[in-house]
Amino acid sequence: DGGITQSPKYLFRKEGQNVTLSCEQNLNHDAMYWYRQDPGQGLRLIYYSQIVNDFQKGDIAEGYSVSREKKESFPLTVTSAQKNPTAFYLCASSRSTGGWDEQYFGPGTRLTVT
Amino acid sequence: AQTVTQSQPEMSVQEAETVTLSCTYDTSESDYYLFWYKQPPSRQMILVIRQEAYKQQNATENRFSVNFQKAAKSFSLKISDSQLGDAAMYFCAYRFQGGSEKLVFGKGTKLTVNP
Repeated sequence: DGGITQSPKYLFRKEGQNVTLSCEQNLNHDAMYWYRQDPGQGLRLIYYSQIVNDFQKGDIAEGYSVSREKKESFPLTVTSAQKNPTAFYLCASSRSTGGWDEQYFGPGTRLTVT
Repeated sequence: AQTVTQSQPEMSVQEAETVTLSCTYDTSESDYYLFWYKQPPSRQMILVIRQEAYKQQNATENRFSVNFQKAAKSFSLKISDSQLGDAAMYFCAYRFQGGSEKLVFGKGTKLTVNP
């Protein structure tokens, strides 16, 4: 079955540590995205990638980094510079970045930093 | 900057009845797309329905339909014959046709379906 996998489902880290969230898709999509969701808020875009070896900052990129070395993988690193990293993180992909193209979402990773 | 507003943080409906969720947006663009996403308790986002701004005809997907009023910048979602499985957070989202790839989301409406 085609889809997007995110692992792990729950992640706990100590403050000051970097942590990497995994996102893999087997839909052969060119575009991939990372969103952050906080309680009572909609999704906010962290980073997106239109193609391998290329990515762009979204609205809240500070304290985050990404890589896109393979078409199917788009890992997100939450660095110690991110002031409030505890949140629910959603990865998505779409066939292209065209406006009509549906974004397919993964199941998400809940990150808790203490 | 584009913004999306969902003025109803919570709504409830009786099973088998109809409910309408509101969404307004602000944009200076004329070509764009609008979406409704559903987030059930599993938290995985699922596309419910989408609308192209240049199309006057309202989109319909089975029990889900929209009322798109371009001049009023309004994009409401109507759920007919509500089912228990419709209970979820519903997010309205906007996407500019060109020059920007991101979805702009509203803050969501939590829908409860009562048996």
